[in-house]
Amino acid sequence: SQQGEEDPQALSIQEGENATMNCSYKTSINNLQWYRQNSGRGLVHLILIRSNEREKHSGRLRVTLDTSKKSSSLLITASRAADTASYFCATDAVTGANNLFFGTGTRLTVIP
Amino acid sequence: DVKVTQSSRYLVKRTGEKVFLECVQDMDHENMFWYRQDPGLGLRLIYFSYDVKMKEKGDIPEGYSVSREKKERFSLILESASTNQTSMYLCASTMPGQGAHEQYFGPGTRLTVT
Repeated sequence: SQQGEEDPQALSIQEGENATMNCSYKTSINNLQWYRQNSGRGLVHLILIRSNEREKHSGRLRVTLDTSKKSSSLLITASRAADTASYFCATDAVTGANNLFFGTGTRLTVIP
Repeated sequence: DVKVTQSSRYLVKRTGEKVFLECVQDMDHENMFWYRQDPGLGLRLIYFSYDVKMKEKGDIPEGYSVSREKKERFSLILESASTNQTSMYLCASTMPGQGAHEQYFGPGTRLTVT
């Protein structure tokens, strides 16, 4: 299976701290995406990083990609209670197909 | 603003019933997807469609079928619902083109089969 795996499965931090989530995958990719899901809702796209990029920033989010290790990390700086959600990485197929392969997610809890 | 809607947020059906889950997007996207989400298993792709009347099996198509008669609408059908199909069902759409683009998700339908 091409499905990614996030690590840790669950993370609990205090408001203001940084949160780091990791994703590992198995096959070559064109791009990797991170999504957020509030409890009981659909997923929302956060950021996309292409295979030829090593780092990307968007507001308080920083994503890194290491294709040699087949891994990515999502860093949320200065976390807020509103960041409490599940975070998923998703990889595509290098064949160019449009479907994504999602990991099992990291459940982040930010304590006010 | 981009929008994907699903016909129901919560649905309770009995074993053996035929169940229709509807998904509509207003972005003129060619690609549409149906996933199910279960604790510890993440999102698993059931079926997807690249165009009207076109469908492709995902990772777990057994027990499901789909219909895409219009570009904006992608329906998931459970011909005879079973308790192991109790799950959260998520629909998504994306623009066409080489490689996987950002997917836009609906709010989800939590289906319970009793």
